[in-house]
Amino acid sequence: DAGVIQSPRHEVTEMGQEVTLRCKPISGHDYLFWYRQTMMRGLELLIYFNNNVPIDDSGMPEDRFSAKMPNASFSTLKIQPSEPRDSAVYFCASTDGGGRATQYFGPGTRLLVL
Amino acid sequence: GNSVTQMEGPVTLSEEAFLTINCTYTATGYPSLFWYVQYPGEGLQLLLKATKADDKGSNKGFEATYRKETTSFHLEKGSVQVSDSAVYFCALGDTGGGNKLTFGTGTQLKVEL
Repeated sequence: DAGVIQSPRHEVTEMGQEVTLRCKPISGHDYLFWYRQTMMRGLELLIYFNNNVPIDDSGMPEDRFSAKMPNASFSTLKIQPSEPRDSAVYFCASTDGGGRATQYFGPGTRLLVL
Repeated sequence: GNSVTQMEGPVTLSEEAFLTINCTYTATGYPSLFWYVQYPGEGLQLLLKATKADDKGSNKGFEATYRKETTSFHLEKGSVQVSDSAVYFCALGDTGGGNKLTFGTGTQLKVEL
């Protein structure tokens, strides 16, 4: 399997622009997680899905952030409008559940908002 | 709620030195415990895990034992290499039947020749 795939790997944008990050989970995995990593705040869980349904979005910072999972093989995290404080590395991870299952992480998208 | 406390970094060691990175947790129930490693510019990878008390996880010379009595899951390696330089994260599995992980803050390890 190719593992979790994220695109783009790097994104540089200007404040106020819309940013869309994409994730393809491992085939057969029914849980998908979005994380954000910064030096100041470490690794934060933003939202996670089970069978394409958002289960917990309590980590989403504010209304500028939204996430969707239209099918089992694709998810997006959108920031609109973007702000410099959104600069971070965004990771997607997936797992096949079971309560004790390992999460598999993608390589991340490094976002810089100028 | 669940939480993980990890020793502060960075930790700097000479090659072939012994490594310990401390991790303690607070949780209700009996969570699974994980160590993830993040190499520069990459995502997190599972290093090892343990799913019940007294289990020992091991991989690539690293070991950690699930100690319920001390609520700990310390990471050890007998002889580190320069290639082990990375950030190490201790994580706690969801005890509520879901699949969330609670991560520690990460410990940066630098191994020098």
